[in-house]
Amino acid sequence: DIQMTQSPSSLSASVGDRVTITCRASQSIGKYLSWYQQKPGKAPKLLIFAASTLQSGVPSRFSGSGSGTDFSLSISSLQAEDFATYYCLQTYTSPRAFGQGTRLDIK
Amino acid sequence: QVQLVQSGAEVKKPGASVKVSCKASGYTFTSYDVNWVRQASGQGLEWMGWMNPRSGQKGYTQKFQGRVTVTGDNSISTAYMELSSLRPDDTAVYYCARVPTYCSDTSCYASFDVWGQGTTVTVSS
Repeated sequence: DIQMTQSPSSLSASVGDRVTITCRASQSIGKYLSWYQQKPGKAPKLLIFAASTLQSGVPSRFSGSGSGTDFSLSISSLQAEDFATYYCLQTYTSPRAFGQGTRLDIK
Repeated sequence: QVQLVQSGAEVKKPGASVKVSCKASGYTFTSYDVNWVRQASGQGLEWMGWMNPRSGQKGYTQKFQGRVTVTGDNSISTAYMELSSLRPDDTAVYYCARVPTYCSDTSCYASFDVWGQGTTVTVSS
């Protein structure tokens, strides 16, 4: 099974900062990676699919990059509503696998 | 609008079974896979399994093999996830998600674009 490892596990930042979260796959997954944002008590929300394609309606300050085993999610200028937990997900093969999550909170 | 509405919270005793429903609206139910994900309190997301409503094809992660069954009733656009032999560590929020496929020139990519609101399952004696 493919394992997904996110880093960091948690991150403190300020409004206006640029932040980057990384996700590493235990084997090559091409661009079969998506990113999700989850706020407390809510279902996850799709941000990015196919590693770098922005989901409709998601602000352009979110961007994704990478292929193979190394991926990243960047937020160019943090807004108050961006403080949440972020997960990557590989859909290259079954079983699907999420990263363990990165909690982004306010410094 | 496109949405998935899940059944309400459940409290079960160890050894019992639970069946969570996920009713789709706003799109053609048979056009997209449905996947199931769970999340224990304060923990990350855990993928459980999937189903294609049109073909009936399905699959599960090894951890839940033999305990989980996903089914669908296309006549009412509803997917189901049944988990048996419940244990206290099955206490979690269970989500269903719609999974479309985006195809570029060379590949097709799946993502979980619409999620149910979650169903809390509590297993306690």
